[in-house]
Amino acid sequence: NAGVTQTPKFQVLKTGQSMTLQCAQDMNHEYMSWYRQDPGMGLRLIHYSVGAGITDQGEVPNGYNVSRSTTEDFPLRLLSAAPSQTSVYFCASSYSGQSTDTQYFGPGTRLTVL
Amino acid sequence: GNSVTQMEGPVTLSEEAFLTINCTYTATGYPSLFWYVQYPGEGLQLLLKATKADDKGSNKGFEATYRKETTSFHLEKGSVQVSDSAVYFCALSDYTQGGSEKLVFGKGMKLTVNP
Repeated sequence: NAGVTQTPKFQVLKTGQSMTLQCAQDMNHEYMSWYRQDPGMGLRLIHYSVGAGITDQGEVPNGYNVSRSTTEDFPLRLLSAAPSQTSVYFCASSYSGQSTDTQYFGPGTRLTVL
Repeated sequence: GNSVTQMEGPVTLSEEAFLTINCTYTATGYPSLFWYVQYPGEGLQLLLKATKADDKGSNKGFEATYRKETTSFHLEKGSVQVSDSAVYFCALSDYTQGGSEKLVFGKGMKLTVNP
């Protein structure tokens, strides 16, 4: 049982490049989400999904796309990277998304945009 | 929407010292409250939670009580260890515009415990 896995661990991009951050979970969780962590700002919700085929926007969705074609995977796409997207990105999952569920976090992807 | 305010630190303590990390919240209704911990180089882990007023969450020697009258959820530990060095986040539940539940996090507080 690997829990929540994220790849890559580190990535450096140039402004305007695109990339996909991968996230997978093997706990059969319906709810998955992406957060970004910036110094002095805690974690902010980017996008989330309550099940395969269903996604919605969080607090800071601009510049990011997501899709959920399977229960296990929830990739985050940066279409045209900007320096403001330099951050640490965390994927999380929980059984149903209710606040009483425990959220499990991946180890994070540290992204630098030059 | 709901929000949390927590001590930001950083804080440095000696081993076996008493720890308190303050957290207060602003919310409509009665949210669930959480403390998450992030050890160096890792993702966040749930440390403890409380889902209603006067509930006490506890884990690994840490405790926090849901105080509705003071809108607080302060984290305490009687004797910290070097292994407690981490960043601690207070969080509460809220709703997205789409009606799903979400977590709202405080800014986090970095704790360093020296031997």
